[in-house]
Amino acid sequence: ETGVTQTPRHLVMGMTNKKSLKCEQHLGHNAMYWYKQSAKKPLELMFVYSLEERVENNSVPSRFSPECPNSSHLFLHLHTLQPEDSALYLCASSQGLGLAGDPYNEQFFGPGTRLTVL
Amino acid sequence: SQQGEEDPQALSIQEGENATMNCSYKTSINNLQWYRQNSGRGLVHLILIRSNEREKHSGRLRVTLDTSKKSSSLLITASRAADTASYFCATVDYSGAGSYQLTFGKGTKLSVIP
Repeated sequence: ETGVTQTPRHLVMGMTNKKSLKCEQHLGHNAMYWYKQSAKKPLELMFVYSLEERVENNSVPSRFSPECPNSSHLFLHLHTLQPEDSALYLCASSQGLGLAGDPYNEQFFGPGTRLTVL
Repeated sequence: SQQGEEDPQALSIQEGENATMNCSYKTSINNLQWYRQNSGRGLVHLILIRSNEREKHSGRLRVTLDTSKKSSSLLITASRAADTASYFCATVDYSGAGSYQLTFGKGTKLSVIP
């Protein structure tokens, strides 16, 4: 798990709080991802960044705001969340996005942040 | 939309037995990957099989792919208590603009009893 790290590992917040999740990858990768994992639901892709540019936003509510200041760091800023946003938030990175006909980019996942919204 | 769907949802076996998990998907794919997740942790990539491959091995893992039936299976032989985890299949398909997207199923929760 030293390749992709996430902090904090656990977070409890009220609906009016503002907090941020942090992800850092030490693999020299160019693409980073945020996923949401809720109980009994498939892993949901939220955002994709490539070379610090957002390339995908899967209809995520605006109370989730990603930020990618450089290719090694990815943040997820949280504001006025709802109890149903409680989940495990996973960050991942990969060498690339599969451009130039190469789709076989393995994703490396961090350990996740367990978020509870009260 | 959900692509991979694992079956069964939960599987409990004795140590030393083989465990078989299945995955079905709906659309054509470039490749299919299997991941493992220990409780409350991140996912770890296990094995990738390309759409033109039928079978692949890695240690105690054996993966098959049948593109005509749009299904894959993961076999773990001689299971150990440490294999207890959730296993997910993920399909890789083209999502446009030169990029590919992983779409995960809900997973199979495997319990190996010592």
